[in-house]
Amino acid sequence: DIVMTQTPLSSPVTLGQPASISCRSSQSLVHSDGNTYLSWLHQRPGQPPRLLIYKISNRFSGVPDRFSGIGAGTDFTLKISRVEAEDVGVYFCMQARQLPYTFGQGTKLEI
Amino acid sequence: EVQLVESGGGLVQPGGSLRLSCAASGFIFSNYWMYWVRQGPGKGPVWVSRISPDGRTTNYADSIKGRFTISRDNAKDTLYLQMNSLGPDDTGVYYCAKPLRLEGNSLSGSFDFWGHGILVTVSS
Repeated sequence: DIVMTQTPLSSPVTLGQPASISCRSSQSLVHSDGNTYLSWLHQRPGQPPRLLIYKISNRFSGVPDRFSGIGAGTDFTLKISRVEAEDVGVYFCMQARQLPYTFGQGTKLEI
Repeated sequence: EVQLVESGGGLVQPGGSLRLSCAASGFIFSNYWMYWVRQGPGKGPVWVSRISPDGRTTNYADSIKGRFTISRDNAKDTLYLQMNSLGPDDTGVYYCAKPLRLEGNSLSGSFDFWGHGILVTVSS
């Protein structure tokens, strides 16, 4: 199985300031079709995860442009340009290069 | 509007069984692979299983292989997960999830809609 490792596990942030979360995979996430299936999700307490970014850097419909994703191969980063109060919660990276799909352990963003 | 509504969870004793359902609406259910993902208390999500649009192809996580069975009824737009020989490690919230499909039917490797989740508690 591909192991997804996120850092940090907890991140105190200041409103209006930037934040970033890293995700490293135990093997390359480049699929044989040439795509890299790395997603970022956000979860608030008591709610299901919500898709933010797919294929490294593509923002899902309705996701604010303060969220961006970068990376390649095994190293990926989610960036928030200016943190807003609604951004609190837990962020997960997820790989879909191969089964079983696997998730990072989560990064808790706290104001 | 896409909706995924899970049901069938609850408290069950170790060794017991449950059948989860996920009623889908707002999209052409029969065109999509469908997935089950679970999340233990305070933990990250874990992929459980998936099923092809016609129901003929299924895949399972090693931890549940031989105990859980995924199925679907495209006439009823419903996804199922039959769970047998349940143990404490199966406790958690179970979500059904729909994959995001891109233009030209290309893959995204992600889920754009998740159900609200249904709690399964395995305890004596």
